[in-house]
Amino acid sequence: KAGVTQTPRYLIKTRGQQVTLSCSPISGHRSVSWYQQTPGQGLQFLFEYFSETQRNKGNFPGRFSGRQFSNSRSEMNVSTLELGDSALYLCASSLNGQASYNEQFFGPGTRLTVL
Amino acid sequence: KQEVTQIPAALSVPEGENLVLNCSFTDSAIYNLQWFRQDPGKGLTSLLLIQSSQREQTSGRLNASLDKSSGRSTLYIAASQPGDSATYLCAPISNFGNEKLTFGTGTRLTIIP
Repeated sequence: KAGVTQTPRYLIKTRGQQVTLSCSPISGHRSVSWYQQTPGQGLQFLFEYFSETQRNKGNFPGRFSGRQFSNSRSEMNVSTLELGDSALYLCASSLNGQASYNEQFFGPGTRLTVL
Repeated sequence: KQEVTQIPAALSVPEGENLVLNCSFTDSAIYNLQWFRQDPGKGLTSLLLIQSSQREQTSGRLNASLDKSSGRSTLYIAASQPGDSATYLCAPISNFGNEKLTFGTGTRLTIIP
């Protein structure tokens, strides 16, 4: 069974540009969450999607957005990039959105560098 | 707001030793708690998931315990190996029906051959 895949693995952008990252969950998983990891702030929750609906959102500005498709694949978009957006972006998938028992599996991440 | 603390921040031990990593959290109303490892520049690998109704969970040389009332979890690694070198993160899921993991800052473990 394939794991969580993320594309691209590395990205270099300049300030002011926008970027779209993609995440394909484990087959059969319907929940996808996104996290940002930086040396200073650690791992921070961005948002979570379940059945094409955003269920929960972290404390990030509106420049960060996402969506989920009917096949559970998810994309996140960052507009008007800032230097501080440089980070490792991780997505995680879980089976059915039931938090009572739901192991989460992470992808390898997308390393975004903003110049 | 859930806050997670992991102590120590870094740990170096000789190969073969047993060790314990600590995790504490402020909000005891959690559904479960997951332990992960992260190798430099890589994603997170799930190690163990402990449900709130469980006290411990074992996988190979790893044993994780959970004490909800005191807001603590420990990860015990037996007979450590150089391949165990990584950053270990604990993450509780809070009790309000969503998938949000709250992470600690992790313990960076180095096993000395």
